Amino acid sequence: SQQGEEDPQALSIQEGENATMNCSYKTSINNLQWYRQNSGRGLVHLILIRSNEREKHSGRLRVTLDTSKKSSSLLITASRAADTASYFCATSGGGADGLTFGKGTHLIIQP
Amino acid sequence: NAGVTQTPKFRVLKTGQSMTLLCAQDMNHEYMYWYRQDPGMGLRLIHYSVGEGTTAKGEVPDGYNVSRLKKQNFLLGLESAAPSQTSVYFCASSYFSRPGANVLTFGAGSRLTVL
Repeated sequence: SQQGEEDPQALSIQEGENATMNCSYKTSINNLQWYRQNSGRGLVHLILIRSNEREKHSGRLRVTLDTSKKSSSLLITASRAADTASYFCATSGGGADGLTFGKGTHLIIQP
Repeated sequence: NAGVTQTPKFRVLKTGQSMTLLCAQDMNHEYMYWYRQDPGMGLRLIHYSVGEGTTAKGEVPDGYNVSRLKKQNFLLGLESAAPSQTSVYFCASSYFSRPGANVLTFGAGSRLTVL
């Protein structure tokens, strides 16, 4: 079963606006990661936040984690057409047994 | 530096046929994974390997077998393909950027259609 559930399933905004997508998960985690998938391509790692961290930044990306609510959010600021993609959250228990992915948010940036 | 390479990229099979998907990584990663991606389902883990000669089952292992004879290669086999195995298959490999931080590098995917 899926660990993470992204919300919304789809999001369409104008170029230059900020995009926020959310992820909820069910069990305790060691870290939570966000990945991007462009159409027809593999997933690319964006950012990792550990369970003892509350916020992390990387360029135009800001990730928050609330372990009490078992939720995370990904904010993309000043969106660009190239940000059009599907975004997935993935949780890890800290072992080598892989990540558990959500179903993804499909983001469309309108020029 | 190619990263993770999957072959073939596309394949059409008839029900009951067998095939093998090959994944190769040149990053000396210890861990390798096979996921399948279906519309509306996200990615689900089929099998994984934590080192040469080891394999383990993931969330949806039925109907698949894997082998990791060499550290750089991870093979996914379908012995008797079924239409339910129509999917896009992704291979990934990983390192631990720091303890507990398992970051995956994905291949471009292999689209399999079973008629």
